[in-house]
Amino acid sequence: AQKVTQAQTEISVVEKEDVTLDCVYETRDTTYYLFWYKQPPSGELVFLIRRNSFDEQNEISGRYSWNFQKSTSSFNFTITASQVVDSAVYFCALSGPQGGSEKLVFGKGTKLTVNP
Amino acid sequence: EADIYQTPRYLVIGTGKKITLECSQTMGHDKMYWYQQDPGMELHLIHYSYGVNSTEKGDLSSESTVSRIRTEHFPLTLESARPSHTSQYLCASSELVEQFFGPGTRLTVL
Repeated sequence: AQKVTQAQTEISVVEKEDVTLDCVYETRDTTYYLFWYKQPPSGELVFLIRRNSFDEQNEISGRYSWNFQKSTSSFNFTITASQVVDSAVYFCALSGPQGGSEKLVFGKGTKLTVNP
Repeated sequence: EADIYQTPRYLVIGTGKKITLECSQTMGHDKMYWYQQDPGMELHLIHYSYGVNSTEKGDLSSESTVSRIRTEHFPLTLESARPSHTSQYLCASSELVEQFFGPGTRLTVL
């Protein structure tokens, strides 16, 4: 069975601090995909990144970076120099291979509050 | 990025009413999904479809039903709404693996 654990329920930081959101996953698939989504107070889910299980390269996009480590089954998300607009609930998600179990399994989310 | 639309955005209705939540996407995606999410909580898959005339129940049992007569349209229906149905309903579509979400419908049943 697939499972995603986001142990941090809520995080509060002051603007310009760096913050890391943790994500640990479980799966028996050898090929799988990991995702991060952002849900601002308006409610919609915004896709941030997809990572394939066979690509462990870390990725940076502006102030966002992602650290994928298969050895520890983790896919952590770091926001550098956080801003108030980063305040949202962030979800980590996992899916199986295309053509297999493609349904997304979500973690419970981490609520990030960035204070001015 | 997919263009995916949901109407209404907000709905407040009385117990026993029949309602249909609309979801449409313009990207021609074969796969579509419905999730239920209570405020501040995780998302639960309630229905999905991998193409026209194909619908399946998700991981969370739901009294709602869905249909997929056209590729772009995936409506969700509640025959008799109850207060326990109060929640946010999110529709998504995908072509490959990543799913793109609509803005959601916040449903309140009094």
